[in-house]
Amino acid sequence: DAEITQSPRHKITETGRQVTLACHQTWNHNNMFWYRQDLGHGLRLIHYSYGVHDTNKGEVSDGYSVSRSNTEDLPLTLESAASSQTSVYFCASSEKQGSTEAFFGQGTRLTVV
Amino acid sequence: QQQVKQSPQSLIVQKGGISIINCAYENTAFDYFPWYQQFPGKGPALLIAIRPDVSEKKEGRFTISFNKSAKQFSLHIMDSQPGDSATYFCAAAGTGKLIFGQGTTLQVKP
Repeated sequence: DAEITQSPRHKITETGRQVTLACHQTWNHNNMFWYRQDLGHGLRLIHYSYGVHDTNKGEVSDGYSVSRSNTEDLPLTLESAASSQTSVYFCASSEKQGSTEAFFGQGTRLTVV
Repeated sequence: QQQVKQSPQSLIVQKGGISIINCAYENTAFDYFPWYQQFPGKGPALLIAIRPDVSEKKEGRFTISFNKSAKQFSLHIMDSQPGDSATYFCAAAGTGKLIFGQGTTLQVKP
């Protein structure tokens, strides 16, 4: 079955370190998204991609970067981790640019100490 | 700014009751309005969605009511069950990217 997987599921890192969260989908979806979930803020869009070599900033992109070298993967990098980036991160994918159902991964809980 | 506003933040309902969650949006270019359900430790999953050309959509016990002129939409859960206890997110999309509301934690008491 097609799926979307995130790794690691849990990570603790130190302030100032570079961290990369992985996202891999096997649906062959063009669209991929990264969100962070924080209590009281819901899901906020960090970065998104509509296809290979396409990346766009979302509403909370500062301190994060992504690259899309193939259809299946959209890794999220925290350039220099900060305590404010402690959160649960979700990756999602959808089929095409028109508004359609997005499928979410299980999430990565990141703690920055 | 918050493009999609959701209320209430939390909701407690007795088993068999009706749960109602409301959302308001600002961008008239949005053309897709889904509701997602999330259980603890899981990613959100699509529950039901509507497009602005209809005013209501029903799937089982779940109904979306949509008011285009007021730029508001709501989720109604009829005959609420303890298994419905979860966090619910409304969202809106115009070019494929989903903008979410703040979420509502629903507890259905037996």
